[in-house]
Amino acid sequence: DTGVSQNPRHKITKRGQNVTFRCDPISEHNRLYWYRQTLGQGPEFLTYFQNEAQLEKSRLLSDRFSAERPKGSFSTLEIQRTEQGDSAMYLCASSIGTAAETQYFGPGTRLLVL
Amino acid sequence: AQSVTQPDIHITVSEGASLELRCNYSYGATPYLFWYVQSPGQGLQLLLKYFSGDTLVQGIKGFEAEFKRSQSSFNLRKPSVHWSDAAEYFCANNNAGNMLTFGGGTRLMVKP
Repeated sequence: DTGVSQNPRHKITKRGQNVTFRCDPISEHNRLYWYRQTLGQGPEFLTYFQNEAQLEKSRLLSDRFSAERPKGSFSTLEIQRTEQGDSAMYLCASSIGTAAETQYFGPGTRLLVL
Repeated sequence: AQSVTQPDIHITVSEGASLELRCNYSYGATPYLFWYVQSPGQGLQLLLKYFSGDTLVQGIKGFEAEFKRSQSSFNLRKPSVHWSDAAEYFCANNNAGNMLTFGGGTRLMVKP
């Protein structure tokens, strides 16, 4: 497998702008997860999909955050009206089926909001 | 709510010395426990995991971890640390079934 990929790797934006990040999971994985990691902290769960269904989104940080996985393959995470507090590393992970399976992480997208 | 605690924020060891990184979890049922390693600017790489069975699990890069239910712990060990092991280490729990709950991480520094 080629691993989980994320694009872009780095994003600098001005406060108030919208940003979108993309995640391509490992091809046979039907679960896809988004996490946020701020400096000096462990990753924090945001949301996850099983195929194209978003099964948990209550942990998204605000209504400015949204995620999609329209065809059950790649996913996008959008942040509208960015704030400086959104500066963080956004990590994507994927896994096969069951909850006990290992989540494999991508390299992350580092966002800096000026 | 479940939580994962890594009591040591920073640890420094000499190259060749043994290492133990502590992890405590809080949840009643048998947890699914993981250790990940993160090098600067990189994503997370799985070192090892525990789901059931033998409480001593072996991982990659010579790491092992022991699940102790009585102590709610899942400590990571390595008998001889290499300079390339310098990184941040995260313990995580997937007992909720969907999301990983991570500890705050332990940053390992290795002295030559």
